[in-house]
Amino acid sequence: AQKVTQAQTEISVVEKEDVTLDCVYETRDTTYYLFWYKQPPSGELVFLIRRNSFDEQNEISGRYSWNFQKSTSSFNFTITASQVVDSAVYFCALSEEETSGSRLTFGEGTQLTVNP
Amino acid sequence: DVKVTQSSRYLVKRTGEKVFLECVQDMDHENMFWYRQDPGLGLRLIYFSYDVKMKEKGDIPEGYSVSREKKERFSLILESASTNQTSMYLCASSLSARSEAFFGQGTRLTVV
Repeated sequence: AQKVTQAQTEISVVEKEDVTLDCVYETRDTTYYLFWYKQPPSGELVFLIRRNSFDEQNEISGRYSWNFQKSTSSFNFTITASQVVDSAVYFCALSEEETSGSRLTFGEGTQLTVNP
Repeated sequence: DVKVTQSSRYLVKRTGEKVFLECVQDMDHENMFWYRQDPGLGLRLIYFSYDVKMKEKGDIPEGYSVSREKKERFSLILESASTNQTSMYLCASSLSARSEAFFGQGTRLTVV
């Protein structure tokens, strides 16, 4: 069975601080996909990034970076020089291709508050 | 522009009523999902469907059923609504396991 754990329920930082959101996953599959989504106060979920299980390269996109480590089953997300607009709930998710269909499981989410 | 549309933003229903939440996507996606979102619990998967008339239970299917008669439409049914089903319900669709999911705007259901 697949599972995603985001142990940090809430994080509060001051603007310009760096912040890392943790994500740990469990799966029995060798082929799987990991995602991060952002849910701003408006409520609509926004896709940020996808990683497949064969690609352990870290990725950087502007102030965002992601660290995927299969050895520790983690897919952590770092925001550098945080801004107030980064305040949102962030979700990590795991997708597997099961015998029947593609189950997509989310973590509990981390509420990030960036204070001016 | 891709779109997942949920029929209602807000619903208020009485205990014991049968409730239908409708979701339509216009992207010809194979997979569709229903989640409920509660504070501190994240998005919990209720049911998903990978093809017309095919469905799989998620993590919390009790008290719910689903219907997918057409590829673009995925309905969530509360057979007999209870107050503990008061929640935000989110529908999503995706092309495949490797594709990102697209979400509807959510339905805030209150059962009184």
